[in-house]
Amino acid sequence: DAKTTQPPSMDCAEGRAANLPCNHSTISGNEYVYWYRQIHSQGPQYIIHGLKNNETNEMASLIITEDRKSSTLILPHATLRDTAVYYCIVRVKTGANNLFFGTGTRLTVIP
Amino acid sequence: EAGVTQFPSHSVIEKGQTVTLRCDPISGHDNLYWYRRVMGKEIKFLLHFVKESKQDESGMPNNRFLAERTGGTYSTLKVQPAELEDSGVYFCASSSTTLLANYGYTFGSGTRLTVV
Repeated sequence: DAKTTQPPSMDCAEGRAANLPCNHSTISGNEYVYWYRQIHSQGPQYIIHGLKNNETNEMASLIITEDRKSSTLILPHATLRDTAVYYCIVRVKTGANNLFFGTGTRLTVIP
Repeated sequence: EAGVTQFPSHSVIEKGQTVTLRCDPISGHDNLYWYRRVMGKEIKFLLHFVKESKQDESGMPNNRFLAERTGGTYSTLKVQPAELEDSGVYFCASSSTTLLANYGYTFGSGTRLTVV
């Protein structure tokens, strides 16, 4: 699985959009970009994933650059409950492989 | 639908003792995974079951750890004998092979193990 690089921490004002970047310059053609988050004292939570097209669901949007070497997770209106560690993971979307969590980005939403 | 359930939520044991962690996956999920985060480190994969079979146990740290999933339902992870460095949070996750593509894994809240 390709390695990802994320900033260690970010702040975001409540109600504003939170944009979390991720670099994955060694991503392979068959690898997807997944985002998970871990809110304190809970297990990791799946957010969204994509291959090359931008994706949106009820939680977030995922913007993947055309060369697929980086992506951005967007929380359109951050709330205090979005304070968590966000993990960007790249992996092949087949069968059931394990996930490689890095250090992630600690997002703090500020009132 | 009930989520992934782990028991106990916390466990404090003495070095050398045995502890058994339990995970109940989402009903119908064939895939079950164990992960752990030891203090100050990243979340690391331990092993993966497909039904009752171990698909990948490359992350198991040593032979003091034994995972089972008899009958392909719930799973147990036994640590015997426990050492201080085993302290951390142990997460279980499950997934449906057919729905994995769209929904990823569902994690439990974890078991916080403290070895003193």
